[in-house]
Amino acid sequence: DGGITQSPKYLFRKEGQNVTLSCEQNLNHDAMYWYRQDPGQGLRLIYYSQIVNDFQKGDIAEGYSVSREKKESFPLTVTSAQKNPTAFYLCASSTGYEQYFGPGTRLTVT
Amino acid sequence: GEDVEQSLFLSVREGDSSVINCTYTDSSSTYLYWYKQEPGAGLQLLTYIFSNMDMKQDQRLTVLLNKKDKHLSLRIADTQTGDSAIYFCAETSISGGYNKLIFGAGTRLAVHP
Repeated sequence: DGGITQSPKYLFRKEGQNVTLSCEQNLNHDAMYWYRQDPGQGLRLIYYSQIVNDFQKGDIAEGYSVSREKKESFPLTVTSAQKNPTAFYLCASSTGYEQYFGPGTRLTVT
Repeated sequence: GEDVEQSLFLSVREGDSSVINCTYTDSSSTYLYWYKQEPGAGLQLLTYIFSNMDMKQDQRLTVLLNKKDKHLSLRIADTQTGDSAIYFCAETSISGGYNKLIFGAGTRLAVHP
């Protein structure tokens, strides 16, 4: 069953703690992406990776970090430097022109 | 700069057609997309259209593209309650050799009996 998995679905953290969101895909896609979604807004690109061991900053990368050690995996770390980390985080992967999304992780930081 | 605009809300009666509109700014966009998001879920790719096409039909979905006016629309025929969701329009933008998607804020479609 091919697809993109994100875990956990809900995540709660205290302010000042780093937290890592998981994203795995078994679609054999080269490119992977992280987006952030806030209520009433479109998606904003955090980071993207076109191949293993390479990634680029998107539009809102400050306070986030990523790694791409395996083709299937693209974890996102939300650091304590991110001023407003509470949001819905979506991972995606693509081949050619079609970009597919995972189910998302809702992060709440208090 | 790049920008995608959508109306925020649309209400239709079950069985009627829904038309969701979108305007975009990047005239070099290669593909334009429609995604559907149900509450608490990720985005589902519904359909996309290549910029040299005027229309694309896929079962109940019809996409119309007016490249001159940079206007994209999604028509859903015989709208059902299961179509209630947020619909996002997205355009492509080439940035550093990478095909980036720019999303609108989404149109919330409410289907009532």
